[in-house]
Amino acid sequence: QVQLHESGPGLVKPSQTLSLTCTVSGDSISTDSYYWSWIRQPAGKGLEWIGRIYPTGTTNYNPSLNSRVTMSLDTSKNQFFLELSSVTAADTAVYFCARTIVVPYYFDFWGQGTLVTVSS
Amino acid sequence: QSALTQPPSASGSRGQSVTISCTGTSSDIGDYNYVSWYQQHPGKAPKLIIYEVNKRPSGVPDRFSGSKSGNTASLSVSGLQAEDEADYYCSSYAGNNNVVFGGGTELTVL
Repeated sequence: QVQLHESGPGLVKPSQTLSLTCTVSGDSISTDSYYWSWIRQPAGKGLEWIGRIYPTGTTNYNPSLNSRVTMSLDTSKNQFFLELSSVTAADTAVYFCARTIVVPYYFDFWGQGTLVTVSS
Repeated sequence: QSALTQPPSASGSRGQSVTISCTGTSSDIGDYNYVSWYQQHPGKAPKLIIYEVNKRPSGVPDRFSGSKSGNTASLSVSGLQAEDEADYYCSSYAGNNNVVFGGGTELTVL
């Protein structure tokens, strides 16, 4: 069974960079059938796709966040990463990582999510 | 890109059926059969219940079904059970390597 687990600081100061790690078990992130995605959800609101990374390192980002987002991966550790720069209170949300099926683009396995609060 | 449009709430009595709509545009739902639906209980991660418009992952009851007509996708739940009470989100590929979600629908089982 595929499992994903998000980790990182729960509190980030405004204007700083949010950094999260997703650790994958039960599957290799090097598999070419999948992308690996980040999705977020502000409290009481809907889901927002942040972006995804392919095993080759190719990335696609939500245009609304494109200038602030960087994703990367470490296949040796079976981990992928999210960096979101210049954060504001509007970036406060639960951040999920998810496995994404290539082409149909659906998310079949999700992490439990991690709350990141942006506050001074 | 704009989010897909879902009704904020829906309800139905136990044993009855309910349908949740998800309206997009000709650039997302209307152009691709890549619509998926997710069920989210409070404090939990979303769970995939429908993919590619009308396919169910293993383990998802056949009470859940999906369809699409033009720019609108729909999720139907028949034989409503208490455990179906949750938030439901639609998602679609939107071209140019983008994915969009709906705003979510809170389903209440009366």
